[in-house]
Amino acid sequence: DAMVIQNPRYQVTQFGKPVTLSCSQTLNHNVMYWYQQKSSQAPKLLFHYYDKDFNNEADTPDNFQSRRPNTSFCFLDIRSPGLGDTAMYLCATSGYGYTFGSGTRLTVV
Amino acid sequence: KQEVTQIPAALSVPEGENLVLNCSFTDSAIYNLQWFRQDPGKGLTSLLLIQSSQREQTSGRLNASLDKSSGRSTLYIAASQPGDSATYLCATWNTGNQFYFGTGTSLTVIP
Repeated sequence: DAMVIQNPRYQVTQFGKPVTLSCSQTLNHNVMYWYQQKSSQAPKLLFHYYDKDFNNEADTPDNFQSRRPNTSFCFLDIRSPGLGDTAMYLCATSGYGYTFGSGTRLTVV
Repeated sequence: KQEVTQIPAALSVPEGENLVLNCSFTDSAIYNLQWFRQDPGKGLTSLLLIQSSQREQTSGRLNASLDKSSGRSTLYIAASQPGDSATYLCATWNTGNQFYFGTGTSLTVIP
């Protein structure tokens, strides 16, 4: 049973057109994370929530925003995607170790 | 800041061979260390988690060891199979809910 679910699996968006990626979890974990992973690179942390406490990484572009309306759901909003934002976006929760979703592959054209 | 390094970056072995993947980290003050597998275009699948008080964990053909004092972990894969071909990532969990990934080892098992 999937415990961290990301939608959609694939997303193509136009340059500058806002896009929202979603993540839900059934683990009831307090901490949720968003990572960006570009080809052949390690995942890079964008931000994380400890419950509703939002923590932004210093080098996360302002173009990236996040919302967590409740424990189960977390959203990644990219306000004006650029070509350089083409990547895999991974959502994760932490309890006993990390559990990742299957990711959303975003392509900006 | 924690730095996690994985060597080699790529490894190619014939089917049936036993192999070891290496992970080193600079800050030994970790809660745990986790090994993941990532298939191309997919998310990360957790393989093994070793708590800081543990020395090793085993799951099937996989065995992971942890030596905090030397800042090293190894992932041992016995009797490799083509289906083991993937990128293997190690990551440490440090204080402040900080999770640091290595750059990964790309493994190819040749039939």
